[in-house]
Amino acid sequence: GDSVTQMEGPVTLSEEAFLTINCTYTATGYPSLFWYVQYPGEGLQLLLKATKADDKGSNKGFEATYRKETTSFHLEKGSVQVSDSAVYFCALGGINTNAGKSTFGDGTTLTVKP
Amino acid sequence: DTGVSQDPRHKITKRGQNVTFRCDPISEHNRLYWYRQTLGQGPEFLTYFQNEAQLEKSRLLSDRFSAERPKGSFSTLEIQRTEQGDSAMYLCASRSEGYEQYFGPGTRLTVT
Repeated sequence: GDSVTQMEGPVTLSEEAFLTINCTYTATGYPSLFWYVQYPGEGLQLLLKATKADDKGSNKGFEATYRKETTSFHLEKGSVQVSDSAVYFCALGGINTNAGKSTFGDGTTLTVKP
Repeated sequence: DTGVSQDPRHKITKRGQNVTFRCDPISEHNRLYWYRQTLGQGPEFLTYFQNEAQLEKSRLLSDRFSAERPKGSFSTLEIQRTEQGDSAMYLCASRSEGYEQYFGPGTRLTVT
């Protein structure tokens, strides 16, 4: 079945540092890929998405490129802020699959220190 | 506010009691999903509806769980005879065909 593997956390960075959170997936067909962010006590917010190979999703300075050859969708940001501290989830599915449900990784906790 | 809403946000119950959660999707979305998220894990799919029809149920959804979506609008998730292992965040999401899911804030269930 479908699965998502995320880089284990927690990740602690200083403000303005470069961020990479690795994500690889296993799926049948051609899923869409997503990054969600979850702040304490809240639900999931869609951060960015890519619907086909080589697509780059971007939002709020975050970027991720859908790499079919390496089955990866790594999240990057050039300069993190304290307000980026949250849990980040990589997910697949959700648009092009018949059911539209998503399969999530276990999340990576990011803490940014001033 | 036109987002997905869930009620209640928090529920504390004693083992063996029944609980019911409600989800109100974005009004034009015909698909509605329930997920469960335990501490330190990503959300896991439970079930989904297309309009009022429940089209898929995960093996995680034991006989004690039931979900409905009467008239294809709001949905309810009921857990009967709750167990401590049911303690989790229950997330609802909705979407239109061809678009991504939008998540609600979740209902955090604590079974004591």
